[in-house]
Amino acid sequence: DTEVTQTPKHLVMGMTNKKSLKCEQHMGHRAMYWYKQKAKKPPELMFVYSYEKLSINESVPSRFSPECPNSSLLNLHLHALQPEDSALYLCASSQWGLAGVRFFGPGTRLTVL
Amino acid sequence: GESVGLHLPTLSVQEGDNSIINCAYSNSASDYFIWYKQESGKGPQFIIDIRSNMDKRQGQRVTVLLNKTVKHLSLQIAATQPGDSAVYFCAEIFSGTSYGKLTFGQGTILTVHP
Repeated sequence: DTEVTQTPKHLVMGMTNKKSLKCEQHMGHRAMYWYKQKAKKPPELMFVYSYEKLSINESVPSRFSPECPNSSLLNLHLHALQPEDSALYLCASSQWGLAGVRFFGPGTRLTVL
Repeated sequence: GESVGLHLPTLSVQEGDNSIINCAYSNSASDYFIWYKQESGKGPQFIIDIRSNMDKRQGQRVTVLLNKTVKHLSLQIAATQPGDSAVYFCAEIFSGTSYGKLTFGQGTILTVHP
């Protein structure tokens, strides 16, 4: 199984809602990432997990809360988002210690009303 | 032809032509580079990579060229097909950061006309 899966594919939420994005990989990768991508822009790194521990937070607002329950799963908890947070949220994974990110998931298209 | 402006650069080619997509990278310390293809509604897909100790690397129908002197990267696609239509991103990495933080270029939209 050489893929990263993400659910849901689409999500619409109000500014007072709490929701979660989920990501899963079964390639044994110990580095997992969350990226945010706005339309017509490249992906921007948000968080990096290595061996289930948060190693990088790229100054992301606290309304985004990542969680890595085990080596295969990565969640992104959302609370009190703003309309400008609407974007494609991409999960990715790679082998720790190797440069680069080989596998991206299909993304969750988030719309904040 | 290719155009650059306030929007993403675009490249339009005919099916069967060869395509060349260019990328200028920013960090002279970057030592690893990746090209990604992103189709509409999908995540980026790894195409090919190259390390800074190489000038050229070939894959299936694709070739990446690296010119470190002018910090320039290019992706050549041979016999371009309609299925190659997508946004192409280059990414640079300084591998001293083991978490592999990617710095992406702005992307180029490739449109292949049948």
